[in-house]
Amino acid sequence: DTGVSQDPRHKITKRGQNVTFRCDPISEHNRLYWYRQTLGQGPEFLTYFQNEAQLEKSRLLSDRFSAERPKGSFSTLEIQRTEQGDSAMYLCASSANGRARTGELFFGEGSRLTVL
Amino acid sequence: DAKTTQPNSMESNEEEPVHLPCNHSTISGTDYIHWYRQLPSQGPEYVIHGLTSNVNNRMASLAIAEDRKSSTLILHRATLRDAAVYYCILRDDNNDMRFGAGTRLTVKP
Repeated sequence: DTGVSQDPRHKITKRGQNVTFRCDPISEHNRLYWYRQTLGQGPEFLTYFQNEAQLEKSRLLSDRFSAERPKGSFSTLEIQRTEQGDSAMYLCASSANGRARTGELFFGEGSRLTVL
Repeated sequence: DAKTTQPNSMESNEEEPVHLPCNHSTISGTDYIHWYRQLPSQGPEYVIHGLTSNVNNRMASLAIAEDRKSSTLILHRATLRDAAVYYCILRDDNNDMRFGAGTRLTVKP
């Protein structure tokens, strides 16, 4: 399978613990996006990487959230000191280089986080 | 990205055409109109996009109004597998593609 893969698919944690999600984009895709989706809502943009550079961050991304893409390939999203409000589906997407306005995003199946 | 307005939900009968509307009255001249859909328990998937002319692909057709202030996604023969949330999004060259709440399509057998 050469699509976007995310790991783990499900994570249950206790409030206050740290969690990390991994995203492997489609090979040779330069652009990588993280989104958060809560029940009944559309995905909310969190952050965007062009290769290894994090170029945009939403104000939704509080100080407890950090994302990296150290070698311009896979990316990690870490949430420190989780809160119950962090419970959501975390989606990763990638796209090839080129004009953003015409580019297609390919999404993974997401990592579902439940904070008890 | 400029804002879009879609109905919260729509219903269709299986094997009948479905027309999903989207209003985007504040669209700028260089915004592209994109449609994605999200099947249950999956990430969104790209459906189609266009600028001014109507577009067709294997999944759907996109009809764009002459003034570009509205568009319609057309599924020519709805199947049960088309039941999903459909998102209409305007894209410029910013990279923070933003989704609205979309239209939940229910397909009845």
